[in-house]
Amino acid sequence: AQSVTQPDIHITVSEGASLELRCNYSYGATPYLFWYVQSPGQGLQLLLKYFSGDTLVQGIKGFEAEFKRSQSSFNLRKPSVHWSDAAEYFCAVGPYSGGGADGLTFGKGTHLIIQP
Amino acid sequence: DTGVSQDPRHKITKRGQNVTFRCDPISEHNRLYWYRQTLGQGPEFLTYFQNEAQLEKSRLLSDRFSAERPKGSFSTLEIQRTEQGDSAMYLCASSFGQAVNTEAFFGQGTRLTVV
Repeated sequence: AQSVTQPDIHITVSEGASLELRCNYSYGATPYLFWYVQSPGQGLQLLLKYFSGDTLVQGIKGFEAEFKRSQSSFNLRKPSVHWSDAAEYFCAVGPYSGGGADGLTFGKGTHLIIQP
Repeated sequence: DTGVSQDPRHKITKRGQNVTFRCDPISEHNRLYWYRQTLGQGPEFLTYFQNEAQLEKSRLLSDRFSAERPKGSFSTLEIQRTEQGDSAMYLCASSFGQAVNTEAFFGQGTRLTVV
């Protein structure tokens, strides 16, 4: 069965500092990988996605992620965080059953706190 | 507003009552998904539709849960005989196309509290 592990429940970063959120997955085939962000009272917003090709993908809001097949990882990075980046971040893998456009399997999330 | 709309945003119900949530996807999006999110967890996939056809429902949590999308537009999720364990955020998402690499847009969710 597929799964996603986000080892860090909470991360605190100073404003302006760099950020890396970890994501490890288990999947029986070539995965489709996603990072979503959820702010209080807001819906989940897609930051970036990886399907194939270049293993370093760029997303919105200055985020990037690197797919490392050998490590089964898809870590999210940002060189300099802003206070508005404080939110819950979810890594996801899909499709659920290996075919078609089934749903995604999400990790438990990492809560990002920005210190002034 | 052209995003995914969910109604109501909050629902408080007594244990044993039935509840129904509505999701209006982005216009012309053919795929519609339902997820459940409990406190401290990521969203958990429940079911999805392509147009009016429900293509996956084995992940619905029990036979008390059912979903419809009668005309391929809006969808409803019903929970019968609610239990306290059903308290959660219920999320709807929609996407356009046939492949998983199309972006799914999420609504703000319906928060259910069963008392």
